Formats: sequence, C-alpha cells, structure tokens
Amino acid sequence: DAGVIQSPRHEVTEMGQEVTLRCKPISGHDYLFWYRQTMMRGLELLIYFNNNVPIDDSGMPEDRFSAKMPNASFSTLKIQPSEPRDSAVYFCASRPSGGRSYEQYFGPGTRLTVT
Amino acid sequence: AQSVAQPEDQVNVAEGNPLTVKCTYSVSGNPYLFWYVQYPNRGLQFLLKYITGDNLVKGSYGFEAEFNKSQTSFHLKKPSALVSDSALYFCAVKGGATNKLIFGTGTLLAVQP
Repeated sequence: DAGVIQSPRHEVTEMGQEVTLRCKPISGHDYLFWYRQTMMRGLELLIYFNNNVPIDDSGMPEDRFSAKMPNASFSTLKIQPSEPRDSAVYFCASRPSGGRSYEQYFGPGTRLTVT
Repeated sequence: AQSVAQPEDQVNVAEGNPLTVKCTYSVSGNPYLFWYVQYPNRGLQFLLKYITGDNLVKGSYGFEAEFNKSQTSFHLKKPSALVSDSALYFCAVKGGATNKLIFGTGTLLAVQP
C-alpha cells in the first residue's frame, strides 16, 4: 500500500506569493493531521481533520494559513501571502479510527523556502 | 495537560554498544506512549507504542522501550547500536481525550563506527 503522499516535495517561492501544499492520506484513514517542523520550534501540530471535518485548528499560526479537506483522499494547506518565517518542512500524517491505533503515519514532507 | 520531555538533545554511542534514549511523561489517566524515528530528509516513522500490558514493548529495527509507571518514563533501548540507527528520535504521548499526539523535542542519536 502507498503511504501518505505529499506534493510538492520542495517549494521555493517569493514573499507574498500563495503557496499550496497537498496531501493524500492512506486509504481508509479518516484522521488527517498537518504539522510544521522547524529547528527553532520543533514539530508543531497545525490542524487536524476527522472524516473531512476540521476538528482542531488551534495550531494554525494566523489567518494567512488555511486548510481544507474536500474529500477523504485529499487535503490542502494554503499560505497566502507567504512570508520568510513560514520556511519550514510541512508534514501530513494520517491514521485510522477505531480501536486504540492512535499512531499516526507521516508523509515525506514538503520543504518550503520563502525568500 | 499531557506532555513529554526528552532531556537529552543528543546521545552519542559507539557501534555495538547498548543505547538508551530517555523520555519522561506527564499525563492524567492512562498513558498512551509512542516512539518515532526521523532519518534525514524523511518523515517520521512509527517505531513502537505502549497502550497497556507488558511494560517492555518491542518494536521495529530491534528497538524496544520500557514503560515505568513509578518513574513516569518510557525510555527507548537497543542492545547493540548500529551506525544506521543514527537519526532523530521523538517520544510522543496521546493528548488526553483528544486525538492529538504531543511530541517531545527530539533526541539526536549519533552512533560512531
């Protein structure tokens, strides 16, 4: 089975531009999580969805960030406008519901550089 | 609030020697604990978890972890380190009634040949 798929793997953009990161969770997983990883702040949870519905977006840094999950197999994280301080690696993770399988499965990440 | 602490930023060990990466936790209720590994330029990979049962949990790549309720610890161990084990290791705890995982700050394991 394919794991979590993220695209693009690398993104370089100029300050002020819109950036869209994409994620395809593992089939059958109905929880999806977006994280950001930086040297300074470590791994931060931005938002998570259950059955395509946002459950907790308290980690979203500001209104420039938005996330959607239009269906069970696709989610986007959008930054508009982007700023240099948004430079980080963004991870998507998914997990199934039911039982006590709380472990999450991570994608390879998108390395975002905003100049 | 649930939290985990990884007191060591880096652990150095010689190849063939046993390794321990430390993690302590603070939870209300029963702890659900996890270890992940991150290799350079890769996502986090699940290694093992403790939900209930035997205090010694075995996971991938020969790793194991020991749950100690009295010391509120969940240390990751391996009897004989390999150079290829060099990576960043994260401890995590389930965030109470939520479905979040609360991650530690990570410990960089460096195994010298």
